Amino acid sequence: GAGVSQSPSNKVTEKGKDVELRCDPISGHTALYWYRQRLGQGLEFLIYFQGNSAPDKSGLPSDRFSAERTGESVSTLTIQRTQQEDSAVYLCASSLVAEQFFGPGTRLTVL
Amino acid sequence: EDQVTQSPEALRLQEGESSSLNCSYTVSGLRGLFWYRQDPGKGPEFLFTLYSAGEEKEKERLKATLTKKESFLHITAPKPEDSATYLCAVRYGGATNKLIFGTGTLLAVQP
Repeated sequence: GAGVSQSPSNKVTEKGKDVELRCDPISGHTALYWYRQRLGQGLEFLIYFQGNSAPDKSGLPSDRFSAERTGESVSTLTIQRTQQEDSAVYLCASSLVAEQFFGPGTRLTVL
Repeated sequence: EDQVTQSPEALRLQEGESSSLNCSYTVSGLRGLFWYRQDPGKGPEFLFTLYSAGEEKEKERLKATLTKKESFLHITAPKPEDSATYLCAVRYGGATNKLIFGTGTLLAVQP
């Protein structure tokens, strides 16, 4: 079946602009996660959804970052007033039980 | 501080030269240790989950083992197509299902 998909695959934006990143999880997966991977660093947890609720938002680095999930399916990660330090690959994962399955990521470059 | 440390950072092997990658962790209440493979420009690909000390999982040339403080990923007679970054992650404690990742081991297998 289809895996996790993310769009866009690449996004180049100017400092100060807002961006929206989209994640389509595997159908039927109740949990959805966002992670960030900076160049040369490990994956950094951002937020976790169970259904449409977010019981753990502890990884969001600032109030410029927000995320929502609707219909227990698609999720959108929004970064407002982007900064150069936001440049990274943003990865989405979904799971039914313990194992998380990742999408290909969105590479965000803030100029 | 809860931590996941992987070693070595990079490993170069000749085809057929077996070796092991290490993942050590200092977390309380381990609820699973996960191994992933990540190819350049792609999202992590799930390999194994281990839950308790003494547990072992195998897949082709890979075998993962777990103790109370660390996990090893043994690679037997590797091939060039095994070249990738191998990531270790843990899930622990509380109610969140987030994963804490190490920074990975970059494996290069030369023909």
